Amino acid sequence: KNEVEQSPQNLTAQEGEFITINCSYSVGISALHWLQQHPGGGIVSLFMLSSGKKKHGRLIATINIQEKHSSLHITASHPRDSAVYICAVSLAEDMRFGAGTRLTVKP
Amino acid sequence: DAGITQSPRHKVTETGTPVTLRCHQTENHRYMYWYRQDPGHGLRLIHYSYGVKDTDKGEVSDGYSVSRSKTEDFLLTLESATSSQTSVYFCAATTGITEAFFGQGTRLTVV
Repeated sequence: KNEVEQSPQNLTAQEGEFITINCSYSVGISALHWLQQHPGGGIVSLFMLSSGKKKHGRLIATINIQEKHSSLHITASHPRDSAVYICAVSLAEDMRFGAGTRLTVKP
Repeated sequence: DAGITQSPRHKVTETGTPVTLRCHQTENHRYMYWYRQDPGHGLRLIHYSYGVKDTDKGEVSDGYSVSRSKTEDFLLTLESATSSQTSVYFCAATTGITEAFFGQGTRLTVV
């Protein structure tokens, strides 16, 4: 079983919809990261969380340490949000990644 | 990319040849990582470094070696490239308590 599980694997939404991507992990972590990768592109860090909630523009990330669970929310989704979203966790000297969620937002 | 540069960005090489990929960072991050990304597998750790000359193996290290003689450079070497090493390779760096920064990736094709 992967130490980091994401759901859903694929998600298609209409422009304007509220989107939630979930991440569960099974190991002790020092931080959790949400990353974004556009097709053929590099990987960009969206958030790093160790507790609570962070917001940046239309993106919101939350983490529940006790439940070992994090969510990434996108409000008022837009076609330019179409990308793969990756959850990653920081261990002592390492990072482990989820398989990613492929999001497609249709106009 | 916060000062993470990978080179080359694309490479085609023949089976059996040695290949070295370079990751260069300008932010003095302590930790550096090499990952490969393949369809259906996500990002998998090859090797990582927690300081100059301090490296360790990741989950898919067979056939790869690394070196870190300076804080800013982390080299990944395929001793004898095989077709199974065709992949997209990403370098990442972090201080350990900050977000991770990634290079733009290197697309390697072994023919």
